Amino acid sequence: DTGVSQDPRHKITKRGQNVTFRCDPISEHNRLYWYRQTLGQGPEFLTYFQNEAQLEKSRLLSDRFSAERPKGSFSTLEIQRTEQGDSAMYLCASSLVPGSSGNTIYFGEGSWLTVV
Amino acid sequence: KNEVEQSPQNLTAQEGEFITINCSYSVGISALHWLQQHPGGGIVSLFMLSSGKKKHGRLIATINIQEKHSSLHITASHPRDSAVYICAGRLMEYGNKLVFGAGTILRVKS
Repeated sequence: DTGVSQDPRHKITKRGQNVTFRCDPISEHNRLYWYRQTLGQGPEFLTYFQNEAQLEKSRLLSDRFSAERPKGSFSTLEIQRTEQGDSAMYLCASSLVPGSSGNTIYFGEGSWLTVV
Repeated sequence: KNEVEQSPQNLTAQEGEFITINCSYSVGISALHWLQQHPGGGIVSLFMLSSGKKKHGRLIATINIQEKHSSLHITASHPRDSAVYICAGRLMEYGNKLVFGAGTILRVKS
């Protein structure tokens, strides 16, 4: 396993179009997180899954955003009717359930979205 | 006020200098992460610590739980250390998600 992978790495889309990002976590990790990062800022939490269950969604996640993790493995983040304000890097991270000894969190390379 | 504050925001150092980046937090955390982010966005976890001090190569991270403060030190800095360093607190509640500082942009000149 080579770590958390995200696809695509870069996406340019026209305003109003839908986009979908995929995240493949480290295989044994049951926690998967989505974050959004804009230039000059630290990442902000969007949502997280434990296995296939989506346990929390940030209020940053408007109803145009939907995330799934259907089989508790990979996850998708879809943005419908994109707006220019959606331009950001979308980061995925995975970990074991906190509390495990030596547990840490692993990040993907991020998916850059530019809405024009 | 942000839950996690970092200082400085920008730091320029000469190769070989000792560097300190500070992180203060105002929320209850179970652990604190120091992360390194390179241009292009990839993030690498450097340390996760909940008490005391950890060392890895030229990097040292310390945390003072009572003062809610952590520091990342880089000894004998090198231009390849140039990156954004981010501290993130793992919340005790709310799914143990991370809350991030805004990052410190470090540039080490040769």
